[in-house]
Amino acid sequence: KAGVTQTPRYLIKTRGQQVTLSCSPISGHRSVSWYQQTPGQGLQFLFEYFSETQRNKGNFPGRFSGRQFSNSRSEMNVSTLELGDSALYLCASSKGPDSYEQYFGPGTRLTVT
Amino acid sequence: AQSVSQHNHHVILSEAASLELGCNYSYGGTVNLFWYVQYPGQHLQLLLKYFSGDPLVKGIKGFEAEFIKSKFSFNLRKPSVQWSDTAEYFCAVNPAGTYKYIFGTGTRLKVLA
Repeated sequence: KAGVTQTPRYLIKTRGQQVTLSCSPISGHRSVSWYQQTPGQGLQFLFEYFSETQRNKGNFPGRFSGRQFSNSRSEMNVSTLELGDSALYLCASSKGPDSYEQYFGPGTRLTVT
Repeated sequence: AQSVSQHNHHVILSEAASLELGCNYSYGGTVNLFWYVQYPGQHLQLLLKYFSGDPLVKGIKGFEAEFIKSKFSFNLRKPSVQWSDTAEYFCAVNPAGTYKYIFGTGTRLKVLA
């Protein structure tokens, strides 16, 4: 069974631009969560989706948004990029709705210059 | 605010030494608890999980963890580490019913051959 896939794997953007990251969960998984990982802060929860509905979100500004499609694939968008948004963005999937084991993808490394 | 503390940021051990990594969380309700591991160049992988029942849980590769509710702790242990255990270890807490996961900042373990 294929694991969680994330595209692109690496991205370089400049301040002020926007970016869209994509995540394809494990087949049959309906819950997708997104995290931002930085050396100083560790993994910080961004949001979680199940059946196209956002069920919870972390403490990030409104520039960070996401969505989930009917096939469970998910995208997250960051608008008006700031230098501090440079991070590894991780996606994790689980079967849902009440399954709590998460399986992580390799991440997208975003560098903002 | 809910938080997870991993007090040991860097640990260096010799092979065959015993390992204990601390994890404490701040949340008064029911929680699901996890330890994840990230080997160099690899994805985050689930080591073990606790949902309910026996507070001593066993995971992969000889790891175990004990949930002590009164101390809000979920410490990870291994009786005898191997060089291949060199990795970063993350403790995570999911307050029941929230679909939100709070991670600690991680502990980097280096095992000397």
